[in-house]
Amino acid sequence: GQSLEQPSEVTAVEGAIVQINCTYQTSGFYGLSWYQQHDGGAPTFLSYNALDGLEETGRFSSFLSRSDSYGYLLLQELQMKDSASYFCAVGGDSSYKLIFGSGTRLLVRP
Amino acid sequence: GAVVSQHPSWVICKSGTSVKIECRSLDFQATTMFWYRQFPKQSLMLMATSNEGSKATYEQGVEKDKFLINHASLTLSTLTVTSAHPEDSSFYICSAVAQQGNQETQYFGPGTRLLVL
Repeated sequence: GQSLEQPSEVTAVEGAIVQINCTYQTSGFYGLSWYQQHDGGAPTFLSYNALDGLEETGRFSSFLSRSDSYGYLLLQELQMKDSASYFCAVGGDSSYKLIFGSGTRLLVRP
Repeated sequence: GAVVSQHPSWVICKSGTSVKIECRSLDFQATTMFWYRQFPKQSLMLMATSNEGSKATYEQGVEKDKFLINHASLTLSTLTVTSAHPEDSSFYICSAVAQQGNQETQYFGPGTRLLVL
């Protein structure tokens, strides 16, 4: 089967750094994406890794190791507005036909 | 940036009625759109891939006769939930693929909340 594993919940304080891990097991691999979803809203695209290494976009960075079937999302200088669910997603059959992980609920405390 | 809209944003209907949800790419053309369903506190589950001008491809376990998909133009896909029942109550989200340089990025619509009474 195809599966993506990520922690269900993470709590951190404002200003801190948090890392959300994602391991995947899929028949195909066309990149690892990360999405943010606030309660009641739709997912918004954060980052995409097709190759091994680190991609940085402002306060957010994403890492991929294809040999380990592993990636992570790193959020720096946490703000209260970062409290949301974060989903990793793998392109299984193509880069855009996505299989989503179960999501990690991030709670940022003052 | 690429914008995807959905209409309506929420629907309340009686059991047995059919509901149509529209997904539009506002500032780009999308040959491929996707329809997802998300139950509370759960992940997004892909229902089907909608391809402009051809039949949709449904994921395993999704009834194609119940969830009718039409992708009649490069900017519009519709999902019709036929004979809706309370168990079809969910958050339905569409997405569209935008080509940006060498990269294809998937942009999500704001979602449609369906409540079947």
